[in-house]
Amino acid sequence: SQQGEEDPQALSIQEGENATMNCSYKTSINNLQWYRQNSGRGLVHLILIRSNEREKHSGRLRVTLDTSKKSSSLLITASRAADTASYFCATDARVEGTYKYIFGTGTRLKVLA
Amino acid sequence: GAVVSQHPSRVICKSGTSVKIECRSLDFQATTMFWYRQFPKQSLMLMATSNEGSKATYEQGVEKDKFLINHASLTLSTLTVTSAHPEDSSFYICSARGARSYEQYFGPGTRLTVT
Repeated sequence: SQQGEEDPQALSIQEGENATMNCSYKTSINNLQWYRQNSGRGLVHLILIRSNEREKHSGRLRVTLDTSKKSSSLLITASRAADTASYFCATDARVEGTYKYIFGTGTRLKVLA
Repeated sequence: GAVVSQHPSRVICKSGTSVKIECRSLDFQATTMFWYRQFPKQSLMLMATSNEGSKATYEQGVEKDKFLINHASLTLSTLTVTSAHPEDSSFYICSARGARSYEQYFGPGTRLTVT
């Protein structure tokens, strides 16, 4: 399968709670990115973490990367109803000599007001 | 950051016709462009990779004669869905990468509906 795995597939939380999504991938990478996608819309880039970085912050977002376990997590703190969307990780993996972004299966987040 | 545009943003066509989608890098030269397809409630699946001036490399299961990709210049790639059928209805997203960068920049997507 070309895809990485994300869990949970779906997550429903109350406004103000934290949301954690996990991503696992298969090959060595240069970097990993997290994207948000509202229903029927394009991708919104959230954060990029390079393979030599372990943690990165951007506003209410915190991303970790563990290359030994080939996994990453996205934490959204103090969630808001507007955070309701699908979240995807994408790994910049070398596949048959070419670097290309392979997407995870995605997590559908619902934040209840 | 780098900007990638797609045109059209939405298209409706009749079964059996062909549709062309354009992907442009607006402020950088894209040596490599990628085409993805996304069905409802699913993730993005890579369809093909194209390098400027050479033939596209298709992922397993993607018909190259049905999805024609042309990357004739460093700022433009086109995807033509030939003899479209309702099952080709999907969200098509392109991305582009420059020569000196590992990062890809994504277009806003094109929603294709085949009736």
